[in-house]
Amino acid sequence: DTEVTQTPKHLVMGMTNKKSLKCEQHMGHRAMYWYKQKAKKPPELMFVYSYEKLSINESVPSRFSPECPNSSLLNLHLHALQPEDSALYLCASSHGIGSYNEQFFGPGTRLTVL
Amino acid sequence: QKEVEQDPGPLSVPEGAIVSLNCTYSNSAFQYFMWYRQYSRKGPELLMYTYSSGNKEDGRFTAQVDKSSKYISLFIRDSQPSDSATYLCASRGVYNQGGKLIFGQGTELSVKP
Repeated sequence: DTEVTQTPKHLVMGMTNKKSLKCEQHMGHRAMYWYKQKAKKPPELMFVYSYEKLSINESVPSRFSPECPNSSLLNLHLHALQPEDSALYLCASSHGIGSYNEQFFGPGTRLTVL
Repeated sequence: QKEVEQDPGPLSVPEGAIVSLNCTYSNSAFQYFMWYRQYSRKGPELLMYTYSSGNKEDGRFTAQVDKSSKYISLFIRDSQPSDSATYLCASRGVYNQGGKLIFGQGTELSVKP
């Protein structure tokens, strides 16, 4: 089973709202990732977690706050977002962060910020 | 110069055609190469994964890596309308810890019945 699940599928929020995106995998993977994808662009890496510890933060604004409560779950907390943050947010996982590991993506959460 | 270059298309072919999708890369340290397929409004799906130079075949799909020219290709035989999607190539170097994938821009493919 190579499935990464994400909830919700769609999210509409105002600039003053606080919301969270959730990601789950049951493949025993110890690395999990958040990507942001704008229309007709490739995914852009935001955060990497390895063994539940933040490994990489690609200079993402603090209004995005990741959390990895356990090895199967990854959250992205959103607060005071801007309309330009509207995008498809993708979660991915892999066995580890080594270069030889295949990354598997979830279906994404389509976020609209009003 | 982007580390991975890919012609964004769009590319339109008739059903049954052989499709050739290509990327070039600039970083000699890249050793791992992937092709992802992404349907509209969905997440990328890993199609092919290769290490270093050579060919890899899976059904109608063949991935080819030529490290001497820094060129990676994906061939789709007997293309079907269901192959209509955006295809993303991606690379990673041996020493690139952190799992960061370097993506091309993606090529939008349309297979017409």
